[in-house]
Amino acid sequence: AQSVTQLDSQVPVFEEAPVELRCNYSSSVSVYLFWYVQYPNQGLQLLLKYLSGSTLVKGINGFEAEFNKSQTSFHLRKPSVHISDTAEYFCAVTGGFKTIFGAGTRLFVKA
Amino acid sequence: DAGVIQSPRHEVTEMGQEVTLRCKPISGHDYLFWYRQTMMRGLELLIYFNNNVPIDDSGMPEDRFSAKMPNASFSTLKIQPSEPRDSAVYFCASSVLQGNYGYTFGSGTRLTVV
Repeated sequence: AQSVTQLDSQVPVFEEAPVELRCNYSSSVSVYLFWYVQYPNQGLQLLLKYLSGSTLVKGINGFEAEFNKSQTSFHLRKPSVHISDTAEYFCAVTGGFKTIFGAGTRLFVKA
Repeated sequence: DAGVIQSPRHEVTEMGQEVTLRCKPISGHDYLFWYRQTMMRGLELLIYFNNNVPIDDSGMPEDRFSAKMPNASFSTLKIQPSEPRDSAVYFCASSVLQGNYGYTFGSGTRLTVV
């Protein structure tokens, strides 16, 4: 069985500050890891994915995430956020042909 | 490709009425998923299809819910009769390889049952 825990339900941050959204997972099989972003009144959009290889993956809009197998984490980072990054972010884990989504982290960027 | 297309975007209906939600997946994607999103329960997988065949419907909450995929380019999710607790945003998503490379989501249908 798999599980995904997003450690923060809300993250307020000032514009141009760095941000980290945390995601931990558990699984008994090898996994693929994803981050999605959901803007208000829209569907989820794939930000980035880790399938294999380099543990640092880069995605759209300047986001990146690092896969840490020993800590079973896949934290999302951005060095400098913009107002337009205000959205909900979901971590997802696919393993054994099953995908589990986290509960989401609401990122609120303040001017 | 125009992405995953869902219709309608918004639906308001009275309790007891039948509701049909529609989805057109991305051409070439062989998996289609229906999700429901609420504040209380987050994203819930309702059912998914592979090559138009339902594979897992264990997430369908009750017999009032049914889903079909008559061909590779169209799927429906039907609720009959609808109840206020069915109010939610319903998403359709499609993928290849059962989502091993990620999903493409539609914009969702916001259902309100009054």
